[in-house]
Amino acid sequence: DAKTTQPTSMDCAEGRAANLPCNHSTISGNEYVYWYRQIHSQGPQYIIHGLKNNETNEMASLIITEDRKSSTLILPHATLRDTAVYYCIVRVRLTGGGNKLTFGTGTQLKVEL
Amino acid sequence: KAGVTQTPRYLIKTRGQQVTLSCSPISGHRSVSWYQQTPGQGLQFLFEYFSETQRNKGNFPGRFSGRQFSNSRSEMNVSTLELGDSALYLCASSLGHRDGLGEQYFGPGTRLTVT
Repeated sequence: DAKTTQPTSMDCAEGRAANLPCNHSTISGNEYVYWYRQIHSQGPQYIIHGLKNNETNEMASLIITEDRKSSTLILPHATLRDTAVYYCIVRVRLTGGGNKLTFGTGTQLKVEL
Repeated sequence: KAGVTQTPRYLIKTRGQQVTLSCSPISGHRSVSWYQQTPGQGLQFLFEYFSETQRNKGNFPGRFSGRQFSNSRSEMNVSTLELGDSALYLCASSLGHRDGLGEQYFGPGTRLTVT
């Protein structure tokens, strides 16, 4: 799996946009970028994924650079409930099919008043 | 639609014992994956089951095993428990597309404490 690098922690004011960066310089052409988050002591929650185009859903937007070596997850109006660890994951397409997520250490996002 | 459920939520065992954890996936999901989360190692992939067959496996010793039933429910077993097995064990379900690109939905986890 391609390695990802994320900042250890970030702070954001409530109501402002939270921009979480991720570097994945060794990503290969058929690997997708996924984002999950984990609120304390709960199971991780899927947020969004993309290949090369920008993606948006009801939770967030994902911006992937043209060379695909980095991406940014954007939470447009962060709330206190968005405080969590955010994981950027590059998904490898397994030859036998199936799912395997390789989690890094993630970014601890703290949203404050 | 009900989410992924895991039982029990909390468990305390003694070294040398064995333990079985259960996971019920979202209705219609055929893939169940298991993960271990510890403060030191973070979230690590254990194995994945699809249609009652283990499809992928992480780097864990043979003491960790699992199975999946015809209704897609899954169990994982840890034999000869060690103190280091204390962790949050998470189960995730997905539709199980062959390319592995579908999102996974995680349960709340089972907190295992080994004394």
